Amino acid sequence: AQTVTQSQPEMSVQEAETVTLSCTYDTSESDYYLFWYKQPPSRQMILVIRQEAYKQQNATENRFSVNFQKAAKSFSLKISDSQLGDAAMYFCAWGGGATNKLIFGTGTLLAVQP
Amino acid sequence: DTAVSQTPKYLVTQMGNDKSIKCEQNLGHDTMYWYKQDSKKFLKIMFSYNNKELIINETVPNRFSPKSPDKAHLNLHINSLELGDSAVYFCASSQQTAANEQFFGPGTRLTVL
Repeated sequence: AQTVTQSQPEMSVQEAETVTLSCTYDTSESDYYLFWYKQPPSRQMILVIRQEAYKQQNATENRFSVNFQKAAKSFSLKISDSQLGDAAMYFCAWGGGATNKLIFGTGTLLAVQP
Repeated sequence: DTAVSQTPKYLVTQMGNDKSIKCEQNLGHDTMYWYKQDSKKFLKIMFSYNNKELIINETVPNRFSPKSPDKAHLNLHINSLELGDSAVYFCASSQQTAANEQFFGPGTRLTVL
């Protein structure tokens, strides 16, 4: 069975600074995908970034980038130039298998200090 | 132009009642999901339907019964509600490949008194 672990329940960052959120996972599947979802107080789940496991190149989306270490089964999210609107719960998720279900980590609550 | 919609957004009810949550997607996706987010914010898959066929049932009590009348709709009916059913329920949809993003609805906060 797949598991996703987020070891940082809460993180804090100053506006305009950089923060890294950690995620590790375990899977025996060879074909899978990894995601970071953001959940602001509105509770809407918003996809931040996606990484295909077969790609060695780390995904980037504007200020968001990942450090994907397949052998270590690590998938961290880096947020550069943090903004007040980045304050939210961030979930790491594994997707794959025949049913494409998402397995979520327990989340990291990110606070952004002005 | 809402992509995935859920009704109602809030639901407060008494223990023992039966309630339904409706979900609709206008993205043309072939797969729909129900997730439960508990009070500690943990998200867990409950069910998934692909082209109206059940493909995931994650050991959810049989008081929970999903129904998919067509590809665009996946409803969740809950019988004999219990206090522990209080949670936020999210509907999501995707094209059934792992590469594709799952689009989430706004969630339904269910409170059982």
